[in-house]
Amino acid sequence: NAGVTQTPKFRVLKTGQSMTLLCAQDMNHEYMYWYRQDPGMGLRLIHYSVGEGTTAKGEVPDGYNVSRLKKQNFLLGLESAAPSQTSVYFCASSYSSQGRQTQYFGPGTRLLVL
Amino acid sequence: KNEVEQSPQNLTAQEGEFITINCSYSVGISALHWLQQHPGGGIVSLFMLSSGKKKHGRLIATINIQEKHSSLHITASHPRDSAVYICAVFYSGGSNYKLTFGKGTLLTVNP
Repeated sequence: NAGVTQTPKFRVLKTGQSMTLLCAQDMNHEYMYWYRQDPGMGLRLIHYSVGEGTTAKGEVPDGYNVSRLKKQNFLLGLESAAPSQTSVYFCASSYSSQGRQTQYFGPGTRLLVL
Repeated sequence: KNEVEQSPQNLTAQEGEFITINCSYSVGISALHWLQQHPGGGIVSLFMLSSGKKKHGRLIATINIQEKHSSLHITASHPRDSAVYICAVFYSGGSNYKLTFGKGTLLTVNP
């Protein structure tokens, strides 16, 4: 099993450009999450999904959109990138409720917005 | 709002030393997680606990619900233990999705 994979690993964008980050998991997990990690701060939840076709806002959702058309995939979109979105993005998944189940993380995507 | 405080922020040890990393939180929780982030960036879940103590190899995690405190211990530390250790809590009464993460403790173990 590959676990949780993320594409791409690294990307440079110019302000105003758009992009989509792809997260895929092969563990048949119901819950999937997108986090961002910034220096000096803990991981922060952007959006999450409790099952195929469902999405919800997390702690810092502004400037991002998500979709979960297939159970195994969770996409994070930036419609108009801003320098404040320079960060490392992690996708994670769990069998059920995040708080009470082990989370499995992807390797991360480093995004630089110029 | 539930805050998660970790101490120390940075810790340097010599190989073989016993390591303790602390995590304190402010309100009642349902579960606490310890995670490890390797220098390359990958994050791995080490433990999830809601009471008592768990052990896996040289790692031991304890939690004291009354004192709102958890510790992660590493016995016979090794340079490969060098990583950032992250505490996260899932607090009672909150949404069923959200963990609150600490800022992490950077551990460096020198040979």
